[in-house]
Amino acid sequence: QAGLTQPPSVSKGLRQTATLTCTGNSNNVGNQGAAWLQQHQGHPPKLLAYRNNNRPSGISERLSASWSGNTASLTITGLQPEDEADYYCSAWDSSLSAWVFGGGTKLTVL
Amino acid sequence: EVQLLESGGGLVQPGGSLRLSCAASGSTFAGYSMSWVRQAPGKGLEWVSAISGSDGSTYYADSVKGRFTISRDNSKNTLYLQMNSLRAEDTAVYYCALVAGTDFDNWGQGTLVTVSA
Repeated sequence: QAGLTQPPSVSKGLRQTATLTCTGNSNNVGNQGAAWLQQHQGHPPKLLAYRNNNRPSGISERLSASWSGNTASLTITGLQPEDEADYYCSAWDSSLSAWVFGGGTKLTVL
Repeated sequence: EVQLLESGGGLVQPGGSLRLSCAASGSTFAGYSMSWVRQAPGKGLEWVSAISGSDGSTYYADSVKGRFTISRDNSKNTLYLQMNSLRAEDTAVYYCALVAGTDFDNWGQGTLVTVSA
């Protein structure tokens, strides 16, 4: 099952803004947007944003999600050391009747 | 909030079988769709299977179709994954996740499955 496309790595400085992207097609991201997950080394993933771009309770307001066409984006402002992690997008694919994930983006905070 | 705890992982030979369990606590389990997602060592997330909370419909990734079976026992608040004909490429940490809409809302800590001779 084809996955979503994410850049393998993004590096930004402390207190800067990072925008992570996730590209799919009209059957997945283009249809419903994408959810975003964060995973620190050795820990399970954690949901950061629902596909409707809302944040679960407890998630920092420095994070915001959006999508347009077949591309979803996660923007993190005021980068902090704890933001350094792997970030994944996920979406339901209506053509495959399956979930698809992006390959993940490793965010490095310099 | 629902807490999820996986168990049942371990070392198994190629061609062998394992059954994973995911116990839910803290909130009602029935009615939620549930899913299994795996992560091979050093790799990204891969969706494996899901089961609907409304009608029990099941869904599988092509890579496990015909070998894995997902099920649930709402009376025990437990999700299962029966894995047969295991291959080396099935080696991974297996997570169970609660599905809200189509999003993986809540995750367990994972259980490691190693397929090796």
